[in-house]
Amino acid sequence: AQTVTQSQPEMSVQEAETVTLSCTYDTSESDYYLFWYKQPPSRQMILVIRQEAYKQQNATENRFSVNFQKAAKSFSLKISDSQLGDAAMYFCAYRLDSGGGADGLTFGKGTHLIIQP
Amino acid sequence: NAGVMQNPRHLVRRRGQEARLRCSPMKGHSHVYWYRQLPEEGLKFMVYLQKENIIDESGMPKERFSAEFPKEGPSILRIQQVVRGDSAAYFCASSILAGDPNEQFFGPGTRLTVL
Repeated sequence: AQTVTQSQPEMSVQEAETVTLSCTYDTSESDYYLFWYKQPPSRQMILVIRQEAYKQQNATENRFSVNFQKAAKSFSLKISDSQLGDAAMYFCAYRLDSGGGADGLTFGKGTHLIIQP
Repeated sequence: NAGVMQNPRHLVRRRGQEARLRCSPMKGHSHVYWYRQLPEEGLKFMVYLQKENIIDESGMPKERFSAEFPKEGPSILRIQQVVRGDSAAYFCASSILAGDPNEQFFGPGTRLTVL
């Protein structure tokens, strides 16, 4: 079974600074997707960024970027120029690419990101 | 295009009662997923359905829980004889196609409290 581990229950960063959230995962599969979701106090799950395992290039979405290390099974999220609106729980998630089927997401336990003004 | 809708947003039940949670996927989406989030935890996959079919229920407890996604109407997650341990946030997600890409769009969740 796949597992996703987020070793940082809580992180704090000054506004406008850069912060990196860690995520490791365990799988014996070679084709899969990795995601970072943001869950603000409203509890709505918002997709931040996605990475396909077959792509070597790290995904980037504006101030959000990932460091995907497939051999190390590591998938960290970097948030540049942190803003107060970035404060939320961040969940790393894994989904198997079963080739035509659609599989459920496996989530880590989350990292609570605090932005200090 | 309205997003994924879930109702009710909050549901309170006494032990032994039944809870029915509804999920209307995004327009055009025929794949629905249910997840449960216990306090201080990440979301846990429960079940994946297509119209009139349960595709994967590997995360669903064997007893008291059932799910359906009829040809017409919303998907329903039913919990019979609720216990305090069922208190959680239940999220529904929908997607348009299987395979790549297959982004799952999440609803706002239903927070179930069992007294």
